[in-house]
Parts: sequence; structure tokens; C-alpha cells
Amino acid sequence: GQQLNQSPQSMFIQEGEDVSMNCTSSSIFNTWLWYKQDPGEGPVLLIALYKAGELTSNGRLTAQFGITRKDSFLNISASIPSDVGIYFCAGLQGAQKLVFGQGTRLTINP
Amino acid sequence: NAGVTQTPKFQVLKTGQSMTLQCAQDMNHEYMSWYRQDPGMGLRLIHYSVGAGITDQGEVPNGYNVSRSTTEDFPLRLLSAAPSQTSVYFCASTMAGSNQPQHFGDGTRLSIL
Repeated sequence: GQQLNQSPQSMFIQEGEDVSMNCTSSSIFNTWLWYKQDPGEGPVLLIALYKAGELTSNGRLTAQFGITRKDSFLNISASIPSDVGIYFCAGLQGAQKLVFGQGTRLTINP
Repeated sequence: NAGVTQTPKFQVLKTGQSMTLQCAQDMNHEYMSWYRQDPGMGLRLIHYSVGAGITDQGEVPNGYNVSRSTTEDFPLRLLSAAPSQTSVYFCASTMAGSNQPQHFGDGTRLSIL
């Protein structure tokens, strides 16, 4: 089945560092979403991108919708311990069919 | 406002047993979906529904049945559980209309022995 290619698969950083992760696809999506998942919980929406080229921020998080509509990146600035978790990109097909990336597991050393 | 509620949170089954995973939402969302999450593979869509009485298959529907008799509930049935169905199952809901973000439940962790 179709999946988005998300990288890196895992990151080990020091507290205070910036983080960057990205997703690419062979298919075009009209909406890109970034989710965070904490252990034992469901994914929680961080940022939604609706237009090609769109750059959107949510606090220390910034995400961009690629011009080709086949890629997106997520940046986290000045990481803090609560940023630990798994981050997923997802592309929306039609009204509600989400296609997910494999996830990026973020670990932060204090 | 409870959001999306999934029950049970954990379940262990023997191969061949049947089981229904429950999902309920109190946000009057038209759209509901079931995903499974396996290590290193993100979430994959099993079945989805755009409204009461309407269901359709997702990416990995084999071995699962769904029904949508009410707007609030969207149960997922395993008729004859297999070890390959060991996974974490997530239910999600969203409002009708394009580009609406999905709200996820906390998941059901299912092990098939």
C-alpha cells in the first residue's frame, strides 16, 4: 500500500537543539498534516497545511507544504523534554483517507 | 466532551476467536475511520465511513468488518482472529467537508496468540 517516505526514522538530540524532519511522496496531496504521538495515546494534530507553498507555525513548530505538493517538512526550534515522542506526517486523500509516513522517533538528552 | 472513546484498551485473543472493538464519538462527526499501527509502518487505513449506513474499505480491509448504524458508533469486528492482526488499533473521526483534521482515540492494543 501507499505510504509516505518520512525521514529520519529516529533522532537523538540535546535539549535546546533545533529539529528538522521531512516527508516525500510519489503522489500529490492537497492537504498535509503533522501529528505527534505520545506513548499509549493516539496521534494528536500539530499542524495542518492546505496550500502548496504554505508555511505555517504553531509555537516552536514550523511546517511547510512543498510547492510540488509531494513533500512537507516540520521544524521544531529550541527543543524541550516534552517534545519527545513520535512524529508522523500524513497526506489527506479525498475527504478523510489519511496516508501516513513511518514516523520519526525523537529522543532528547537533557 | 469525551471526544473519541475506544474500548477496550487492551485485549488478548486466541487464534480463531471473534471480537468487536468499540469506537464512539460525541462530536457529531460524520466521518469515522479505523486504522492499525504496526512497528515501523505508521498507521494504515482499514475501513471508513462517511455517515450512518455508509462504509467503505481502506488500504488493509481483509479480516475486518464494520458497520455504522448510528452517527456516534463505528465498531470494528474481527470474525476469526489471526496472529497477523496483532496490532494497535486507532479509531478517528472528523467533520464532513474537505480538509477537516481527524481526531484520534487512544487506541486498543490487541494481541492474538
